[in-house]
Amino acid sequence: DGGITQSPKYLFRKEGQNVTLSCEQNLNHDAMYWYRQDPGQGLRLIYYSQIVNDFQKGDIAEGYSVSREKKESFPLTVTSAQKNPTAFYLCASSSGPAGRDTQYFGPGTRLTVL
Amino acid sequence: GNSVTQMEGPVTLSEEAFLTINCTYTATGYPSLFWYVQYPGEGLQLLLKATKADDKGSNKGFEATYRKETTSFHLEKGSVQVSDSAVYFCALTLNAGNMLTFGGGTRLMVKP
Repeated sequence: DGGITQSPKYLFRKEGQNVTLSCEQNLNHDAMYWYRQDPGQGLRLIYYSQIVNDFQKGDIAEGYSVSREKKESFPLTVTSAQKNPTAFYLCASSSGPAGRDTQYFGPGTRLTVL
Repeated sequence: GNSVTQMEGPVTLSEEAFLTINCTYTATGYPSLFWYVQYPGEGLQLLLKATKADDKGSNKGFEATYRKETTSFHLEKGSVQVSDSAVYFCALTLNAGNMLTFGGGTRLMVKP
């Protein structure tokens, strides 16, 4: 089945630690995205990548880093510089720009800082 | 800048009631408009979309019409079911861009 997988589903981190969230897609999509969702709020864009080896900052990139070495993978690292990392993180992909092509979302990773 | 405003929830309805969730937007160009649905503990699924003024998106009994004159994209369903209980997000993107701008989400609770 084609789709987007995110792992792990739940992740716990101690303060001061970096942690990497995985996102893999087998839809052959060029574009991939990371969003953050806080309780009762909408989604905010962290980073996006339109093509392999290229990525752009979104609205709230501070304290996060990404890489796009392979078309199917777009891992997100939450660094110790992110002051309030506890949130639900959603990865998405699309075959082209969001205006033309639908973004498909993964099931999400819930990160909790202890 | 671009923004999306949705009615605050939760919206609580009885089964078979009529649903309206309001969504208005501001945009610097001519956006495409979307409704996404999020079931508990899951990611978002596209429910419907409209790419130009007066277009009507529809899916699973839900409908929304792109109203340029009122900058609105209200979601409607004639008869809701318990299984429709979820959070609904209105979103927009400018056709030349890559980023979705989301509203804050509206939680719908349908009681049997």
